[in-house]
Amino acid sequence: DIQMTQSPSSVSASVGDRVTITCRASQGVSSWLAWYQQKPGKAPKLLIYAASSLQSGVPSRFSGSGSGTDFTLTISSLQPEDFATYYCQQANSFPPVTFGQGTRLEI
Amino acid sequence: EVQLVESGGGLVKPGGSLRLSCAASGFTFSSYTMNWVRQAPGKGLEWVSSISSSSHYKYYADSMKGRFTISRDNAKNSLYLQMNSLRAEDTAVYYCARRFGTEYYFDYWGQGTLVTVSS
Repeated sequence: DIQMTQSPSSVSASVGDRVTITCRASQGVSSWLAWYQQKPGKAPKLLIYAASSLQSGVPSRFSGSGSGTDFTLTISSLQPEDFATYYCQQANSFPPVTFGQGTRLEI
Repeated sequence: EVQLVESGGGLVKPGGSLRLSCAASGFTFSSYTMNWVRQAPGKGLEWVSSISSSSHYKYYADSMKGRFTISRDNAKNSLYLQMNSLRAEDTAVYYCARRFGTEYYFDYWGQGTLVTVSS
């Protein structure tokens, strides 16, 4: 199975900051990578798919990049509602799909 | 509006069984591959199982093979997960999730149902 490793595991930031979260795959996944946002007690929400495509309705301050084994999620200007846990997920090798361990973004 | 509503969770003893359901609405359920994804308390996301639109293809995570069975009833717009031989490590919130297009991304999720395996 492909292992997904996110860094950092947690990050502290302030409203208006630019934040970057990294995801590394144990083997190449081309551009078959998604990012999800999860708030406490809620289901995950798809933000980015195919490494850099913004899901409908997601604010443009979210962006994704990368291919192969290294990917990033960038939030250009943090808003209060962005404080959450973020997960990457590879969709290149199925089954199974695999998720990163999560990055908690806190104030 | 797409809605996925899980039910059937609860407290069960080790070795016991439970059947989860997911009621879908707001889209053509019979056209989509559906999935179960779980999250242990305070932990990350783990894919559990997937079923194709016609039920022709079914896939399971290795740790669930032989114990869990995924199924669907397109006439009832419903997805199911039969869980047998439950273990403490199966304790989690179980989400049903719709596959996004032809790729294994998940664009809609239910609110989840909690399964607790404990004596």
